[in-house]
Amino acid sequence: SQELEQSPQSLIVQEGKNLTINCTSSKTLYGLYWYKQKYGEGLIFLMMLQKGGEEKSHEKITAKLDEKKQQSSLHITASQPSHAGIYLCGADRGGGNAGNMLTFGGGTRLMVKP
Amino acid sequence: DAGVIQSPRHEVTEMGQEVTLRCKPISGHNSLFWYRQTMMRGLELLIYFNNNVPIDDSGMPEDRFSAKMPNASFSTLKIQPSEPRDSAVYFCASSKGLRNTEAFFGQGTRLTVV
Repeated sequence: SQELEQSPQSLIVQEGKNLTINCTSSKTLYGLYWYKQKYGEGLIFLMMLQKGGEEKSHEKITAKLDEKKQQSSLHITASQPSHAGIYLCGADRGGGNAGNMLTFGGGTRLMVKP
Repeated sequence: DAGVIQSPRHEVTEMGQEVTLRCKPISGHNSLFWYRQTMMRGLELLIYFNNNVPIDDSGMPEDRFSAKMPNASFSTLKIQPSEPRDSAVYFCASSKGLRNTEAFFGQGTRLTVV
């Protein structure tokens, strides 16, 4: 079973609309990562959040990590067809001194209708 | 830098055959990850290495799967014998540092076992 729960699993929005994707963990996260994957391709890094309450933005995408470091949201403003793809949240499971062990949620499949 | 390089990009093999997937991480990165992605199970961490040493292989599905990292610039994932249920996209990723650093993904190898 996935340690990270993403919702929704899929999303279809009209171009220009805003949307939010959520990622929830039952355990405190050492680090939270958001990646985007275009169909048939590798994962592209979007943002990394480390501190409780942290918020980062890049172009029209904003990611937040809650104070307890157990939930993150990814918000897209004025969506465009180029935003379509699979969004995955990943978490550092804390491999101790041996390094990080990055595991992922089930992904959210986003389609943007022109 | 050329990024994480995986080969081959596509592999079609018959059930029972040995399959070897290859990965060249980004120079200077000391952590390497192997993932498998399917529609049913999403992105699963199979094994990860730190400084060429396997740290956690709990995600390796069966003894038919094995991974090696003989040096800092090369890793292999081998399946012997292959089965149709092994069909998936296999990703390799690398990262620098112990924690809270982004992982860079290769383009993946799409494996089809018939």
